[in-house]
Amino acid sequence: DIQLTQSPSFLSASVGDRVTITCRASQGISSYLAWYQQKPGKAPKLLIYAASTLQSGVPSRFSGSGSGTEFTLTISSLQPEDFATYYCQQLNSYPPTFGGGAKVEIK
Amino acid sequence: QVQLQESGPGLVKPSQTLSLTCTVSGGSISSGSYYWSWIRQPAGKGLEWIGRIYTSGNTNYNPSLKSRVTISVDTSKNQFSLKLSSVTAADTAVYYCASVNYDILAFDYWGQGTLVPVSS
Repeated sequence: DIQLTQSPSFLSASVGDRVTITCRASQGISSYLAWYQQKPGKAPKLLIYAASTLQSGVPSRFSGSGSGTEFTLTISSLQPEDFATYYCQQLNSYPPTFGGGAKVEIK
Repeated sequence: QVQLQESGPGLVKPSQTLSLTCTVSGGSISSGSYYWSWIRQPAGKGLEWIGRIYTSGNTNYNPSLKSRVTISVDTSKNQFSLKLSSVTAADTAVYYCASVNYDILAFDYWGQGTLVPVSS
């Protein structure tokens, strides 16, 4: 299985901060990486697919980049509704796998 | 807008079989652009993919669960189902159904999730 390692696993930030989360794959996955946002008690919500394509309706302050084994999710200016846990996920190789998550909390 | 809704018993006893159904609305489960998956999440932990089914009936399962999982589809009811046999407390989790769009290779629609405790 392809392992996805997210860092940091926890970060404390303020409204307006620029936040970057990294996802590293144990082997190359081309650009077949997606990012999800999950709030407590809710299902994950797709933010970005194909490493850098914003899902319809997702604010433009979210962006993704990377290919191969290293990927990043950036929130350009953190908003109150962005405090959540973020997961990366690959569908390049069977079985699909998820990263361990990165929890973004209010400083 | 596609919507998914999980349903099933709220509690399962150890060694029994967990059974859940996902009802798809707002679109046809037979759409050629999708396949259908189950994913679970133990409390306070990460996400684990369980398996997927195509409307042709072809399935793939997570090797870690393969011996205990069966996913099936009923196109006439616009539903797909999960059976997980010989459950233990380790199978206690929120279970989600989700769709994968072939065009974007991501889980684009999710059910709200259903908590299934395994306890005697």
